[in-house]
Amino acid sequence: AQSVTQLDSHVSVSEGTPVLLRCNYSSSYSPSLFWYVQHPNKGLQLLLKYTSAATLVKGINGFEAEFKKSETSFHLTKPSAHMSDAAEYFCVVSDQYSSNYQLIWGAGTKLIIKP
Amino acid sequence: EPEVTQTPSHQVTQMGQEVILRCVPISNHLYFYWYRQILGQKVEFLVSFYNNEISEKSEIFDDQFSVERPDGSNFTLKIRSTKLEDSAMYFCASSVVATSPFFGPGTRLTVL
Repeated sequence: AQSVTQLDSHVSVSEGTPVLLRCNYSSSYSPSLFWYVQHPNKGLQLLLKYTSAATLVKGINGFEAEFKKSETSFHLTKPSAHMSDAAEYFCVVSDQYSSNYQLIWGAGTKLIIKP
Repeated sequence: EPEVTQTPSHQVTQMGQEVILRCVPISNHLYFYWYRQILGQKVEFLVSFYNNEISEKSEIFDDQFSVERPDGSNFTLKIRSTKLEDSAMYFCASSVVATSPFFGPGTRLTVL
């Protein structure tokens, strides 16, 4: 069965400094992995996805994530944080070889940006 | 840019009442989903819908829940007799293929 663990419930960084949001997954099959972002009072927006092509995936707003099979990780990074990045970020796994269309969600990481 | 819309944004109801949450998916999408997030908990899958029928549902999606695509544009989630524990944010989503769905802004359901 698939599962996702987001290692930090909150991450606080200063504006202009790098962002690292950590995610580990467990999957029996070759997974599809996603990062979604939720700004306050907004819906869930897809940041980026990995579906067995390039292991370094670039997303919107300068975010990227690297799929590391040996470490079962899919950490989200951004070189320089902006105040508008303050939001909750969800790491998500989907089993692409199953007929099951479910997404399995991590608990979320709240990103706080200090001025 | 096309987006998934949901109405209402906030629904308050009494325990035992029926509620219908409405969603308008993106127009050329074929797969439709409902997820929910109880306050402080993870987002949970409820149901997926394709070709006018349920393709997958979770244990949460019991006989109290039903989904419908009544007119080719709306996608609804009905809860027949609401319980206190149904209070949550309900997200509708749609996708062209069965991966990376686009989510709506959510409906916050409060059961009193």
